Amino acid sequence: GAGVSQSPSNKVTEKGKDVELRCDPISGHTALYWYRQSLGQGLEFLIYFQGNSAPDKSGLPSDRFSAERTGGSVSTLTIQRTQQEDSAVYLCASSRRTSGRLTGTQYFGPGTRLLVL
Amino acid sequence: AQKITQTQPGMFVQEKEAVTLDCTYDTSDPSYGLFWYKQPSSGEMIFLIYQGSYDQQNATEGRYSLNFQKARKSANLVISASQLGDSAMYFCAMREGLSYNQGGKLIFGQGTELSVKP
Repeated sequence: GAGVSQSPSNKVTEKGKDVELRCDPISGHTALYWYRQSLGQGLEFLIYFQGNSAPDKSGLPSDRFSAERTGGSVSTLTIQRTQQEDSAVYLCASSRRTSGRLTGTQYFGPGTRLLVL
Repeated sequence: AQKITQTQPGMFVQEKEAVTLDCTYDTSDPSYGLFWYKQPSSGEMIFLIYQGSYDQQNATEGRYSLNFQKARKSANLVISASQLGDSAMYFCAMREGLSYNQGGKLIFGQGTELSVKP
């Protein structure tokens, strides 16, 4: 079946502008995650959605970052007033809720490369 | 706090030989899962193998096996019969909590860049 898809694949923006990054999880996956990968910080967790539960926002670096998930499927990560340090690859992952051994294994999308000039 | 350490920034291996990538972890939760991902130059994170903290046997998936030593808190990835296509960055990751209704964030190590020589 189709994997996790993300758009755009690349985004160049000017400092101070807002950007929206989109993630479409694997069909049937109830959990959705956003991570950020940058040279200096490695892979960092940002936010996690599980079904109808309140999201875990503990990884969001500032209040300029927000995310929503509509209809339990597609998610949008929004960065307001972008800064140069926001330049990174933003990765989305999804997982399914099962009782099997691989429960919760996260499958990643190709990422969005964000460059803030 | 949970932590993942990969001490090898870069590794070289000859094609067709086996290679071990090191990973140590630290957690106070008795329930956790350990994952290895491969990230080729294209950037996508590819799931390779999983080991649960209560698993009795070391995980294997084709040419990948996980050398899980719980007392030493290590979860090394072994790749047998290396291929040129194995050249990539490899990440070890951990998630606390194993219940089916617990998802939860992954904590990643810094990664090991593996280069396979022909």
